[in-house]
Amino acid sequence: NAGVMQNPRHLVRRRGQEARLRCSPMKGHSHVYWYRQLPEEGLKFMVYLQKENIIDESGMPKERFSAEFPKEGPSILRIQQVVRGDSAAYFCASSPRGIPWGNSPLHFGNGTRLTVT
Amino acid sequence: DAKTTQPPSMDCAEGRAANLPCNHSTISGNEYVYWYRQIHSQGPQYIIHGLKNNETNEMASLIITEDRKSSTLILPHATLRDTAVYYCIVPNAGGTSYGKLTFGQGTILTVHP
Repeated sequence: NAGVMQNPRHLVRRRGQEARLRCSPMKGHSHVYWYRQLPEEGLKFMVYLQKENIIDESGMPKERFSAEFPKEGPSILRIQQVVRGDSAAYFCASSPRGIPWGNSPLHFGNGTRLTVT
Repeated sequence: DAKTTQPPSMDCAEGRAANLPCNHSTISGNEYVYWYRQIHSQGPQYIIHGLKNNETNEMASLIITEDRKSSTLILPHATLRDTAVYYCIVPNAGGTSYGKLTFGQGTILTVHP
């Protein structure tokens, strides 16, 4: 059973370009979460999505960042007009059902490391 | 998430048991205790979780005190590959806290040869 797959593993973008990060959840998982880890800092929640719905985007920066999880295909985290401060590791996690039920751990991918030059 | 407190760092000799403590004195009755670890440059790895009973799996054991205000993660025979940052997390059981695992500073466990 394949785990959470993220690609690309490494992404280099120049300032002002767009970055698209992809996440394929584990088979049977319909809940996806994105986290960001800035250099030498902890993981911070960004957004929680179910198929075709954004449930909680309270951790997303107000501008330039967007996320989607279409009916078919992977979840996409899009960063428009990237700046150097966007350089970080972006992790995706999935679960078969939402955390409020408590008994459903998140499983994380190995992340995409974005470098903005 | 209920606040958790962990020591910033711990050392352990290879082959010995590593016992990582966590205080979560404000935990509610229906909130689970989760443990994750992050090995350098990798994604967080789920280890184990529990509600009130002690739990064991192929990776570790979780001991939760009777009053549920603290817990201990036990790695029975630590190896060098267990060197990582270990996070104890108690996610909120309801409301709008879906999926918001709050990762604190965790405990840096260093396993020595």
